[in-house]
Amino acid sequence: GAGVSQSPSNKVTEKGKDVELRCDPISGHTALYWYRQSLGQGLEFLIYFQGNSAPDKSGLPSDRFSAERTGGSVSTLTIQRTQQEDSAVYLCASSLTLVRGRALEQYFGPGTRLTVT
Amino acid sequence: AQKVTQAQTEISVVEKEDVTLDCVYETRDTTYYLFWYKQPPSGELVFLIRRNSFDEQNEISGRYSWNFQKSTSSFNFTITASQVVDSAVYFCALSDSNTGNQFYFGTGTSLTVIP
Repeated sequence: GAGVSQSPSNKVTEKGKDVELRCDPISGHTALYWYRQSLGQGLEFLIYFQGNSAPDKSGLPSDRFSAERTGGSVSTLTIQRTQQEDSAVYLCASSLTLVRGRALEQYFGPGTRLTVT
Repeated sequence: AQKVTQAQTEISVVEKEDVTLDCVYETRDTTYYLFWYKQPPSGELVFLIRRNSFDEQNEISGRYSWNFQKSTSSFNFTITASQVVDSAVYFCALSDSNTGNQFYFGTGTSLTVIP
């Protein structure tokens, strides 16, 4: 079946502009995650959505970052007034959730490479 | 406190050698999950294995094997007879009840298999 898809695959923007990154999770997956991976670095957790529950925003680095998930499916990560330090690969992942609310393995999309000039 | 430690930043081996990637985790929970992911040069993370804390049986899948030892809080990954296609960054991750459904990823080990 179809995996996690993300768009665009690459985005170059000027400092100060807003950007929107899109994630389409695997159908039926109730959990959706956003991560940031800077060059040669590990994964930095940004935000987590689980069904209709309030998202876990504890990883968002500043109030310039926000995300929403419409209809429990597609998610959009928005970065306002982009800065050069926002340049990174933004990864989206989705997973099934166990009965007790525990997540199973995450399946990742190909990522969006954001470059802020 | 760091939840997952992958002390090996980079490893290089010659093709056909065996290699073990170390992962040490930290949690106070009795119920937790451990994971390994592979990130090849193409960039997309690939899920390799999930292990729950109640199952300490080692697992083998082809040339891959995993050694889970609760006594040392380790979940090491061994590739036998390495191949060039194994060259990638490998991440270990932990999910426990304290993190909700958040995953803690280690910083990754970059493996290069030299032909």
